[in-house]
Amino acid sequence: SYELIQPPSVSVSPGQTASITCSGDELGNKYASWYQQKPGQSPVLVIHQDNKRSSGIPERFSGSNSGNTATLTISGTQAMDEADYYCQAWDSGTMVFGGGTKLTVL
Amino acid sequence: EVQLVESGGGLAQPGGSLRLSCVTSGLNFSRYAMTWVRQAPGKGLEWVAVISGSTTGTYYADSVKGRFTISRDNSKNTLYLQMNSLRAEDMAVYYCAKGLDITVAASDAFDIWGQGTFVTVSS
Repeated sequence: SYELIQPPSVSVSPGQTASITCSGDELGNKYASWYQQKPGQSPVLVIHQDNKRSSGIPERFSGSNSGNTATLTISGTQAMDEADYYCQAWDSGTMVFGGGTKLTVL
Repeated sequence: EVQLVESGGGLAQPGGSLRLSCVTSGLNFSRYAMTWVRQAPGKGLEWVAVISGSTTGTYYADSVKGRFTISRDNSKNTLYLQMNSLRAEDMAVYYCAKGLDITVAASDAFDIWGQGTFVTVSS
């Protein structure tokens, strides 16, 4: 079955750029999406179709996808961006999530 | 404002059944694919099932295939998940979410999520 691999954790200082990767076989040939989930809350769609920001998502969030890796980039990271982030893609009629990355802003 | 409200969670015995509902408002329900995603305590997101807006297309995760059935009633703006033969590993918060388009193929992502309903499977 198809797998998406994310680093368990990423740390970033406030105001710096955070990059979260998501790796999968030929992921660049699929659309990648990203979701943000804060503790006790439902997931929020951040990026879809590799690089399209969902409604209401700040411009500091951007996405890219090429080869075997999709990347979520947060420029000028703020304390409010601390959350779990999940990548997602479709493979053969199956929706697949990555294991999630905990972003810590410190 | 688009709203999705799940209900029907609770305690079920192993081998038992539950039916989850997701009542929607503020959207033209039949125009969007809908999905169920679950999250076990302290774990990541796991996709469960998806259904097209017209109900003609349904897909399931291998872990629930043959046990769970996704359906919808477009006249009631409601999505369902019938869960049979429940196992301990099915215990999770179950979220419903709205797709970006009517077909599963065009709904590469899901932009509106409910608050979730918790399913406990225990004897």
